[in-house]
Amino acid sequence: EIVLTQSPATLSLSPGERATLSCRASQSVSYYLAWYQQKPGQAPRLLIYDVSYRATGIPARFSGSGSGTDFTLTISSLEPEDFAVYYCQHRSDWPLTFGQGTRLEIK
Amino acid sequence: QVQLVQSGAEVKKPGSSVKVSCEPSGGTFNNYAINWVRQAPGQGPEWMGGIIPDFRTGKYAQKFQGRVTITTDEARTTVYMELSSLRSEDTAVYYCTRGTFYYEDSSFYGDYFDYWGQGTLVTVSS
Repeated sequence: EIVLTQSPATLSLSPGERATLSCRASQSVSYYLAWYQQKPGQAPRLLIYDVSYRATGIPARFSGSGSGTDFTLTISSLEPEDFAVYYCQHRSDWPLTFGQGTRLEIK
Repeated sequence: QVQLVQSGAEVKKPGSSVKVSCEPSGGTFNNYAINWVRQAPGQGPEWMGGIIPDFRTGKYAQKFQGRVTITTDEARTTVYMELSSLRSEDTAVYYCTRGTFYYEDSSFYGDYFDYWGQGTLVTVSS
């Protein structure tokens, strides 16, 4: 099973700042990695797929990069609605797995 | 806009089974796969398995093999997830999710999830 390790566990930033979230895979997932955003009481929402492609309706301030085992989600300038929990997920092999999440909180 | 509608919350005894349903608001799943993802309190999501309703093929996570069954009805308008031999660790919100691939054959691929149901809380408690 491919283990996805996200860091940091919690990130405290202010609106307008840049956020950088990391996801590291225990073995290569090529470019088969996605990012989701989850707010309290809601289902996760797909943000980015195949490392760097934004899902429908996702603002341009969200971007993804990386390959192989190291991946980054960047939010260029935080809006108040961006404070949430973020998960990465691979589709490289079975089983599909998710990371444990990074909580992005308001500083 | 695709909407997935799930059945309501359940409270179950240890050792029993639960069956959760998922229906698309538009009536059919249209050659997309439906996967089940659960999320225990304070934990990350966990993929359980999926099915392509139009082909009735799919896959389960090894962790749940033998305990989970994902099926579709004859009309292929409802997908069910049944989990047996419940234990307290199965207490979670269970989501049905639609994959991004449009299937033209029965081969099941790993996928991402672009539409999610509202979630069904399953509580396992004696």
